[in-house]
Amino acid sequence: EAQVTQNPRYLITVTGKKLTVTCSQNMNHEYMSWYRQDPGLGLRQIYYSMNVEVTDKGDVPEGYKVSRKEKRNFPLILESPSPNQTSLYFCASRSIAGANYEQYFGPGTRLTVT
Amino acid sequence: AQKITQTQPGMFVQEKEAVTLDCTYDTSDQSYGLFWYKQPSSGEMIFLIYQGSYDEQNATEGRYSLNFQKARKSANLVISASQLGDSAMYFCAMRRGTTDSWGKLQFGAGTQVVVTP
Repeated sequence: EAQVTQNPRYLITVTGKKLTVTCSQNMNHEYMSWYRQDPGLGLRQIYYSMNVEVTDKGDVPEGYKVSRKEKRNFPLILESPSPNQTSLYFCASRSIAGANYEQYFGPGTRLTVT
Repeated sequence: AQKITQTQPGMFVQEKEAVTLDCTYDTSDQSYGLFWYKQPSSGEMIFLIYQGSYDEQNATEGRYSLNFQKARKSANLVISASQLGDSAMYFCAMRRGTTDSWGKLQFGAGTQVVVTP
């Protein structure tokens, strides 16, 4: 089954404790993205990758890192999480050859930083 | 800079009635795409409908239709014959038409729809 998976789905952590949210897709997609969703703000893009070793900042990259060493994986790293990074996070992917409407979203990761 | 505006934070609609969700966008691009997503309380993002800027006809998908008015830069979603299962948050989103932007979506703040019996 074609899908984007994220782990963990729920995470409660403390300020300053490094964490990684994994994202994996099994569709050989070139494009992968991370978004965060906050009430009243919709989804905002954090980072974006067009292919292996090619990443670019989105609208809200501060406090986050990403890497794209393999095509299928695009982990989101919070080196020193802070309470303002409490949010719902989505990973998404699409193929460079896909239909215009194509965009596959993962199930979301709900992160709470205390 | 591109921007998506959804002016209705929330609305109630009675079952079986039609509802229109407003979305306006701001872009200087000639080529772009417009999306609507549904997010039920379970949290997943569900794709509903897509409209390309060069598509001459308004997009339709079952009970969903997109009222695309290019000159006014609006892309309203119409849900006909509302069902209780339509209760959800609805997001309008836009993507630029350039290849390097195909993975980037700009989202509106969303509209919470509650369908009542």
